[in-house]
Amino acid sequence: AQSVSQHNHHVILSEAASLELGCNYSYGGTVNLFWYVQYPGQHLQLLLKYFSGDPLVKGIKGFEAEFIKSKFSFNLRKPSVQWSDTAEYFCAVNGRYGGATNKLIFGTGTLLAVQP
Amino acid sequence: DGGITQSPKYLFRKEGQNVTLSCEQNLNHDAMYWYRQDPGQGLRLIYYSQIVNDFQKGDIAEGYSVSREKKESFPLTVTSAQKNPTAFYLCASNGGDSGANVLTFGAGSRLTVL
Repeated sequence: AQSVSQHNHHVILSEAASLELGCNYSYGGTVNLFWYVQYPGQHLQLLLKYFSGDPLVKGIKGFEAEFIKSKFSFNLRKPSVQWSDTAEYFCAVNGRYGGATNKLIFGTGTLLAVQP
Repeated sequence: DGGITQSPKYLFRKEGQNVTLSCEQNLNHDAMYWYRQDPGQGLRLIYYSQIVNDFQKGDIAEGYSVSREKKESFPLTVTSAQKNPTAFYLCASNGGDSGANVLTFGAGSRLTVL
């Protein structure tokens, strides 16, 4: 079965610090990879996605993620975080279940707190 | 504006009662999903539906039921058989190509069992 692991459950950073959130997945076939973000009191929303092509993808608000196939990883990065980046971040992988497609598997989430 | 509407936002239930959470979308999306969000456990898939009149169990379907009689609607019933129903429930939809799972989420419904 497919699974997604996020290694950091809670991360606390000061403003301007660099961020890297780890995400590893287990799936043997072609994958689509996603990072979703949930700001306090807001809907879950897409931060960035990888389908194919350049393994370094850029998303909104200065975030980027790199797909490393050999490591089954899709880590999220931002060079300099802001207080407004405080949120919960979820990594997700498109998988197949019971022969059907279009099922997203989510990681357990990483709660990021940025101190001003 | 297009989106997903979940209701109610907050719901309290006594043990032994069934409750139904509403999810309506006006995005013309074919696929709809129900996830449960618990602290430290992320989002876990309860049920999903690729098309009207069809739905599939997700990873934690026990104690839940759904229906998909209309494209716009995908209600979730939390039955008395669900042993730990207190949680935040998220509905989502997707209208992209196969494998291109960009989900649009609703605001969620928080269920508390007293």
